[in-house]
Amino acid sequence: AQSVAQPEDQVNVAEGNPLTVKCTYSVSGNPYLFWYVQYPNRGLQFLLKYITGDNLVKGSYGFEAEFNKSQTSFHLKKPSALVSDSALYFCAVRDGYGGATNKLIFGTGTLLAVQP
Amino acid sequence: GAVVSQHPSRVICKSGTSVKIECRSLDFQATTMFWYRQFPKKSLMLMATSNEGSKATYEQGVEKDKFLINHASLTLSTLTVTSAHPEDSSFYICSARQYRQPTSTDTQYFGPGTRLTVL
Repeated sequence: AQSVAQPEDQVNVAEGNPLTVKCTYSVSGNPYLFWYVQYPNRGLQFLLKYITGDNLVKGSYGFEAEFNKSQTSFHLKKPSALVSDSALYFCAVRDGYGGATNKLIFGTGTLLAVQP
Repeated sequence: GAVVSQHPSRVICKSGTSVKIECRSLDFQATTMFWYRQFPKKSLMLMATSNEGSKATYEQGVEKDKFLINHASLTLSTLTVTSAHPEDSSFYICSARQYRQPTSTDTQYFGPGTRLTVL
């Protein structure tokens, strides 16, 4: 069964500092990994995804994520945090790619708080 | 990115009434749409997967007679909460799947959510 784990409920970082939001995954085949962000009382916004290719994936708003097969990780990173990055971040794994019944399985979410 | 809308954004209803939530993909055709429920400070719980023109597939523990899903067209899916009760109060989020060949794009885009409060 596919699953993702986000070990941190909350990450605190000062504005201007680099940030990392951790995610590890467990899959039986090829991993299809996603990051989404949710602002208060809003739906999820797609940030980036890894399907195949380069291990470093660049996404929206200056975020990037590094796929590490040996560590089964897909951590989200940003070189310089902004207060406006404060939100709830979800890592997700898809149980397949291109199939009609493929579903996203979400982690528990990590609240990112960026202090001015 | 692609846009998914939900209507209404917020609804308050009396216990025992039914509420319909619409989900539309505005700039792409979505053969598959998903409905999620989110509790405060919790992850998203997949309720059901709907494919255009066929019956929805419900996740284990989700009452299909209570949460009616209709996917009438490639751009519209509706979730109707029937005979709503206070425990149905939650944040409901829909998602539409964009899948394109030959680029093999396969991404889910989410609506802004609907806050349901049942009194």
